[in-house]
Amino acid sequence: DAGVIQSPRHEVTEMGQEVTLRCKPISGHNSLFWYRQTMMRGLELLIYFNNNVPIDDSGMPEDRFSAKMPNASFSTLKIQPSEPRDSAVYFCASSFNRPNTEAFFGQGTRLTVV
Amino acid sequence: DAKTTQPPSMDCAEGRAANLPCNHSTISGNEYVYWYRQIHSQGPQYIIHGLKNNETNEMASLIITEDRKSSTLILPHATLRDTAVYYCIVREVTQGGSEKLVFGKGTKLTVNP
Repeated sequence: DAGVIQSPRHEVTEMGQEVTLRCKPISGHNSLFWYRQTMMRGLELLIYFNNNVPIDDSGMPEDRFSAKMPNASFSTLKIQPSEPRDSAVYFCASSFNRPNTEAFFGQGTRLTVV
Repeated sequence: DAKTTQPPSMDCAEGRAANLPCNHSTISGNEYVYWYRQIHSQGPQYIIHGLKNNETNEMASLIITEDRKSSTLILPHATLRDTAVYYCIVREVTQGGSEKLVFGKGTKLTVNP
């Protein structure tokens, strides 16, 4: 398996534009997690899904952020409209939905909003 | 909030063992301790995890105290490539039985030549 795949790896956009980040989890995994990492706040859990259903989105900073998982092999994180303070590295991770199992992370998307 | 406490930084000489401590005094009986590391700005990398017994794999060893309130990650022969931020995480069981990883600030390990 190629692991968790995120795209794009880098994104530069202007303030006010819509940004969509994409994630393909490891085949067979049924839990998916979106994280955001900044120098100030470290790694923050934004939202996670079990079996394509959002379970906890309490980490989503505000209504400008939305995440979907239309099927078991694809998820998106959308920011609309984007703001400079959204600049960060966004990671996606996946795992099996059971105890005693590790989660695997993608290489992240570095987002810069100017 | 993270359920673990780690020193912010540590140094280790190349070739020596690196022992990274972690406190998790509020851990519940069915919660596992996980260790991840992050090298520069790459995605976090899984290292090892355990419940109450000591564990060893090709990367490291995990020693968990009998009361499970603390643990130590051991890199037996640290190399320069082991320089990274190491995160100790108690994976929290959530609604629906799934587990989520909540990261703290971790320990910045610097391996010196």
